Amino acid sequence: EAQVTQNPRYLITVTGKKLTVTCSQNMNHEYMSWYRQDPGLGLRQIYYSMNVEVTDKGDVPEGYKVSRKEKRNFPLILESPSPNQTSLYFCASSLFSSGSRGETQYFGPGTRLLVL
Amino acid sequence: KNEVEQSPQNLTAQEGEFITINCSYSVGISALHWLQQHPGGGIVSLFMLSSGKKKHGRLIATINIQEKHSSLHITASHPRDSAVYICADSWLTFGEGTQLTVNP
Repeated sequence: EAQVTQNPRYLITVTGKKLTVTCSQNMNHEYMSWYRQDPGLGLRQIYYSMNVEVTDKGDVPEGYKVSRKEKRNFPLILESPSPNQTSLYFCASSLFSSGSRGETQYFGPGTRLLVL
Repeated sequence: KNEVEQSPQNLTAQEGEFITINCSYSVGISALHWLQQHPGGGIVSLFMLSSGKKKHGRLIATINIQEKHSSLHITASHPRDSAVYICADSWLTFGEGTQLTVNP
């Protein structure tokens, strides 16, 4: 089954404790991205990757890191989480990069993060 | 950066009603996405359209490129249509979403 998976689905942590949220897709998609969703603000892009070893900042990259060593995986790293990073996080992928191609995005199930 | 605005923010309807959700954007785009977010949080892509109209079951999406406006229509609404509907431009600037509740 074609899908985007994220782990963990739920996470409670404390300020400053490094964490990683994994994202994997099995559709051989080139483009992957991370979003956070907050009430009243909608979905905002954190980082995106056009292909392996190619990543770039989205609208709200502060406090986050990503890597794209393999095509299928795109982990989100919070080196020193803070309470303002409490949010619902989504990973997504598409065959090619969004923009002129307007590719359909496939979303992961989301990760609810609470930073105390 | 594109500004994507949706209206209304909240919409309550009775089962069977015809529903319209609107999306407008400030900068010309090549395609517009409509997404559905289920009460559990999962997001699925409903439509991607660059012109005219698309239909999938009871859902119809239209776009007017010149007016920078798109609409999502739901015919014969059902309680299972209750969800948040989100539009996004081709560069994935998202609207804030429209919370739809359909009562039986």
